[in-house]
Amino acid sequence: DIVMTQSPDSLAVSLGERATITCESSQSVLYSSNNKNYLAWYQQKPGQPPKLLIYWASTRESGVPDRFSGSGSGTDFTLTISSLQAEDVAVYYCQQYYSTPPGFGPGTKVEIK
Amino acid sequence: EVQLVESGGGLVQPGGSLKLSCTAYEFTFSKYWMNWVRQAPGKGLEWVANIKQEGSEKYYADSVKGRFTISRDNAKSSLYLQMNSLRVEDTAIYYCARARTAAIGMPRIREFDYWGQGALVTVSS
Repeated sequence: DIVMTQSPDSLAVSLGERATITCESSQSVLYSSNNKNYLAWYQQKPGQPPKLLIYWASTRESGVPDRFSGSGSGTDFTLTISSLQAEDVAVYYCQQYYSTPPGFGPGTKVEIK
Repeated sequence: EVQLVESGGGLVQPGGSLKLSCTAYEFTFSKYWMNWVRQAPGKGLEWVANIKQEGSEKYYADSVKGRFTISRDNAKSSLYLQMNSLRVEDTAIYYCARARTAAIGMPRIREFDYWGQGALVTVSS
């Protein structure tokens, strides 16, 4: 099984500042036949189900603000919130869907400083 | 509007059984892999099981293999999770989630684009 790790466990960022979360997979999730990274990012606010933010490691889901961006390839990935807003307070999860089981990282809690 | 609505959660004793349902609205249910994902209180997300469009392939997390059974009824746009031999550690919110369709020849599923609101399952004596 591919194991996903995230860092940090939590971070506090001032409004308008940048938040950066990293995700690492124990094996590459880059599929050579289509050169796509099978990596997604989700946002979960308290009391709500997860919401898809990013897929293919860097493709923003429709309707997601452009302050959210994803980057990385192979085993190392980053989610960046360029200018943190109050409504971005949430837990963020990465997920690989390269192989079964399609596992999630442990999550990173983002708060306002 | 695409919607997934779970039902069937509740309180059950250890060793008991429960069946969850998830009804899909406003999309062609039979075209998608469907998943169950759970979240224990205050914890992260754990994928539980998934099932192919016509039900011919099913996969399970090791933690539930042999105890849980995923199934679907495309005529009713419904997904199910039969949970037997329940343990205290199965206590969680159970979400159903749709996976986008993968291209032929590519890894079998893609990202989860729609999620239900979840059904709470509590296993306690």
